[in-house]
Amino acid sequence: DAGVIQSPRHEVTEMGQEVTLRCKPISGHNSLFWYRQTMMRGLELLIYFNNNVPIDDSGMPEDRFSAKMPNASFSTLKIQPSEPRDSAVYFCASRSEGELFFGEGSRLTVL
Amino acid sequence: AQSVAQPEDQVNVAEGNPLTVKCTYSVSGNPYLFWYVQYPNRGLQFLLKYITGDNLVKGSYGFEAEFNKSQTSFHLKKPSALVSDSALYFCAVRDINAGNMLTFGGGTRLMVKP
Repeated sequence: DAGVIQSPRHEVTEMGQEVTLRCKPISGHNSLFWYRQTMMRGLELLIYFNNNVPIDDSGMPEDRFSAKMPNASFSTLKIQPSEPRDSAVYFCASRSEGELFFGEGSRLTVL
Repeated sequence: AQSVAQPEDQVNVAEGNPLTVKCTYSVSGNPYLFWYVQYPNRGLQFLLKYITGDNLVKGSYGFEAEFNKSQTSFHLKKPSALVSDSALYFCAVRDINAGNMLTFGGGTRLMVKP
C-alpha cells in the first residue's frame, strides 16, 4: 500500500486566493483526519470523518475553512480566502481500528 | 476531557546513553496510549502503542514505553540512543469512552549528539 497520499506537497499563494489540499487515505480505512501543524500551536485536529461523514469539525478555525469527503478514497480541505496566518503544514491521516497513519503533509505558505 | 502533557520541549542526550521522553495523560476511562515520531519534513510515524496487558511495550527502532497507571504516565525509553533518533516525538491518548478521539501532546524534540 502506498500509504496516505497528500497533494500538493508545497503550495505558495497570495492572500485572498483559494487553496485546496487533497488527501487519499489508505484503502479500507474508515476514518480520516485533517491536522494542522505550526510552531506556535503544535499539532491541531481540524476535522475528522467516519465512513465519509464529518463527525467533529470543532477544530476548524473559521468559516473560511471547509472539508469534504465525497467518497471513501478522497478528501479535500479548502481555505477561501486564504490569509498569511493560515501558513502551516497540513496533515491528513487515516485509521481503521488502531493507530493513525499520516501523509507527508502539505506545506502551505500564504504571502 | 482527555489530555496529554509532554513536560519537556527538548531532551538532549549523548549517543550511546539511555534516553527517556516523558508523557503524562488524563482520561476518564481506560486509555489507549501511543507514541509517534516525526522526522524533518515528514509526517508522523507510529512507534508503539499500549492497549492492555504488559505494562512494558516494545516498538520500532528499539524504542519501548512503560505504562504506569498510578502515575498516569507513559514514558518513552531507549537503552542506547543513536544520532539518527534525533526527531520530534509525540505522545497521544485515545479515550474509547470519549468518541475515539486521539489527542496529541505538544511534542518533545530529541537531540542526540555524537
